[in-house]
Amino acid sequence: AQSVTQLDSQVPVFEEAPVELRCNYSSSVSVYLFWYVQYPNQGLQLLLKYLSGSTLVESINGFEAEFNKSQTSFHLRKPSVHISDTAEYFCAVSEDTDKLIFGTGTRLQVFP
Amino acid sequence: DTEVTQTPKHLVMGMTNKKSLKCEQHMGHRAMYWYKQKAKKPPELMFVYSYEKLSINESVPSRFSPECPNSSLLNLHLHALQPEDSALYLCASSQILQGGYEQYFGPGTRLTVT
Repeated sequence: AQSVTQLDSQVPVFEEAPVELRCNYSSSVSVYLFWYVQYPNQGLQLLLKYLSGSTLVESINGFEAEFNKSQTSFHLRKPSVHISDTAEYFCAVSEDTDKLIFGTGTRLQVFP
Repeated sequence: DTEVTQTPKHLVMGMTNKKSLKCEQHMGHRAMYWYKQKAKKPPELMFVYSYEKLSINESVPSRFSPECPNSSLLNLHLHALQPEDSALYLCASSQILQGGYEQYFGPGTRLTVT
């Protein structure tokens, strides 16, 4: 059965510092991987996704994630964070079925 | 237009009330979802509609009743709710019901049951 682990429930970081949010998954078949972001009092927005092809995927706002099949990981990185990146980040996985399985989320708190 | 809209934004209801949540999308998506999200938790899937037919019901109590009147609309009818049902209710849609297709989420309805 699929599962997603986000080991860090909270990640505090200063503005302009680099950040990595970790995500590991377990699945016996090929998977599709997603990162969603949720700003306070809002719904979820897709940040980036891995379906196939290049293992490094990028978003328009400077985030990137790398699919590592051998380590079953899909960590999210940003070289320099802004205050506006403060939000909850959810890693999610799906197989050929429809369901998205979410991790427990990581709260990124950016301090000035 | 990549927007999913939800109404109302906030809802307060008593345990004996009947109310409905509404969700709408105009992206031509044929799969629509209801999620429940408690504070500091990930969304929990409740129902999935595919081509206007109920495809998945995640053992949700019968006091929640979904309805998909057409391909653009999704309703969630609420009756005799409990205080523990207070949560953010999120609607989402995707092109079709298959892994790999991203889900677009609405802003949610914040429900408080008194």
